[in-house]
Amino acid sequence: GIQVEQSPPDLILQEGANSTLRCNFSDSVNNLQWFHQNPWGQLINLFYIPSGTKQNGRLSATTVATERYSLLYISSSQTTDSGVYFCAVERYAGNNRKLIWGLGTSLAVNP
Amino acid sequence: DVKVTQSSRYLVKRTGEKVFLECVQDMDHENMFWYRQDPGLGLRLIYFSYDVKMKEKGDIPEGYSVSREKKERFSLILESASTNQTSMYLCASSLRGVPYGYTFGSGTRLTVV
Repeated sequence: GIQVEQSPPDLILQEGANSTLRCNFSDSVNNLQWFHQNPWGQLINLFYIPSGTKQNGRLSATTVATERYSLLYISSSQTTDSGVYFCAVERYAGNNRKLIWGLGTSLAVNP
Repeated sequence: DVKVTQSSRYLVKRTGEKVFLECVQDMDHENMFWYRQDPGLGLRLIYFSYDVKMKEKGDIPEGYSVSREKKERFSLILESASTNQTSMYLCASSLRGVPYGYTFGSGTRLTVV
């Protein structure tokens, strides 16, 4: 099956710093999403980005599908950005929807 | 505000007990999912359902079963809880045919003693 690898596994930033998180996947996919899990466990979808670039405030994401990777950029980080960032991919098979998840990047932003 | 609600935030059960984890969504989503999350292992899919009374095994279904009698409710059942089922359990839902828009519940942290 498809493998999803995220790097780095852990990241510590000072507030205001920028960072780039990477997601590599081993095969072509129809769907790629980035999620953020806050320290209380709530998972929220950040981006649906099977290809191209999207921006939402201080966050942006780029997926290069032909090279099988995606990048999540966090600019001017804030303490509220802390948590775990997951990349998840999907390869459609009929009605069955099944995301394949990376292990995440754990981010701590210090004041 | 649309949401996925999990019935308990924290749960402590004894080994051998039958445990029910409930998940309700109010978004009329066809697809519903149960994951467990463990440190170093990420999110692993237990079961999913793409319609009422339909269920499909995920990657780690052993020791679990599910029930989906109504569209809005997806229940995860631990037939005989064991200590290795101590974990964070996350429920999610999504709309059929739409590749984004997964909505997660806030999770149930289950401890089996």
